[in-house]
Amino acid sequence: DIVMTQSPDSLAVSLGERATINCKSSQSVLYSSNNKNYLAWYQQKPGQPPKLLIYWASTRESGVPDRFSGSGSGTDFTLTISSLQAEDVAVYYCQQYYSTPPKYTFGQGTKLEIK
Amino acid sequence: QVQLVQSGAEVKKPGSSVKVSCKASGGTFSSYAISWVRQAPGQGLEWMGGIIPIFGTANYAQKFQGRVTITADESTSTAYMELSSLRSEDTAVYYCARAGISVVVPAARHYYYYMDVWGKGTTVTVSS
Repeated sequence: DIVMTQSPDSLAVSLGERATINCKSSQSVLYSSNNKNYLAWYQQKPGQPPKLLIYWASTRESGVPDRFSGSGSGTDFTLTISSLQAEDVAVYYCQQYYSTPPKYTFGQGTKLEIK
Repeated sequence: QVQLVQSGAEVKKPGSSVKVSCKASGGTFSSYAISWVRQAPGQGLEWMGGIIPIFGTANYAQKFQGRVTITADESTSTAYMELSSLRSEDTAVYYCARAGISVVVPAARHYYYYMDVWGKGTTVTVSS
């Protein structure tokens, strides 16, 4: 199984400052045939289902503010919030969808709070 | 825009089974992979398995193999997840979610993509 490891487990950032969350996979999730990284990022607020933010490691989902960006390739990925807003307080998860046969695995989550 | 509407909360005894439904409305159902993801209280997300209704074949996480059955009814645009031999550790919120790309688009690898539409979740409590 591909193991996804996020860091840090929790993070406190001041409003307007940058927040960075890292995600590392135990094996590459880059598929050479199409040059795509099978990596997504989700945001989950209390009492709500996860919300897709980023897919293919760096493609922003429609309607997601452009302060959210994803980067990385292979085994190392980053979610960046360029200027933290109060509504960004949530738990963030990375997820790989590379495995064949299909098997999703998620990182353990990173809790983002306001400093 | 498609919505996934899940069945209501359940309370079950240890050793029993639970069947949760997920009905799609407002969009295409059959040609997308539908997955089930659970979240125990205060814990992270765990994929249980999924199905592509138009193909009828299900994939299961090894952890749940033999204990979970995922089915779909194309005529009602509804997916189901049945979990048997329930134990207290199965207490969780169970979500259904739809993959972001239809099988109509040829896949480079497989059809279980990122999940762009989620149900609101069904709370299953297992308690004696």
